[in-house]
Amino acid sequence: AQSVTQLGSHVSVSEGALVLLRCNYSSSVPPYLFWYVQYPNQGLQLLLKYTSAATLVKGINGFEAEFKKSETSFHLTKPSAHMSDAAEYFCAVSVGNNNDMRFGAGTRLTVKP
Amino acid sequence: EPEVTQTPSHQVTQMGQEVILRCVPISNHLYFYWYRQILGQKVEFLVSFYNNEISEKSEIFDDQFSVERPDGSNFTLKIRSTKLEDSAMYFCASCRDRHYEQYFGPGTRLTVT
Repeated sequence: AQSVTQLGSHVSVSEGALVLLRCNYSSSVPPYLFWYVQYPNQGLQLLLKYTSAATLVKGINGFEAEFKKSETSFHLTKPSAHMSDAAEYFCAVSVGNNNDMRFGAGTRLTVKP
Repeated sequence: EPEVTQTPSHQVTQMGQEVILRCVPISNHLYFYWYRQILGQKVEFLVSFYNNEISEKSEIFDDQFSVERPDGSNFTLKIRSTKLEDSAMYFCASCRDRHYEQYFGPGTRLTVT
């Protein structure tokens, strides 16, 4: 069964530092992978998605993720963190014929001034 | 830009009562979903709906839950007899076609007392 695992429930970086949020997937078929962001008391907003085109995917707000089949990973990065990036980030995989999503446990990103 | 809407934003109910959570998906979307997020936990898939029938459901989606698309625009989630553990944020989502990104509503916070 397809699933994702997010390593690190909480990541803290300084403003301007590199952001790296880790996600590994398990899938018997080529996966469709997504990163969503959730700001406090809000819904989920799509950051980016991988759908078997380019392995390096660029998203909104300066985020990008690289699909690495050999490592079964889809880590999210941003070169320089901004205070407004503080949020919960969820990795997700699309499952089955109906695009049901399976989410990781989430990583809370804190950005220190 | 079209968006998924959900009402109410917050629902408080007593244990054993029935609740109906309402969603209006994006108008040209064909696949509809409900997810829930217990406070501080990950987003969990409940059910997917396509072509006027349930296409997939999780083990959480037991006989107490039902979904309906009564009029071609609304998509509802009914909980027949609420339990304390049903307290969560419930998100509706829709997508245009399989493997496209899902658009999430802002959620309904359900509190069962």
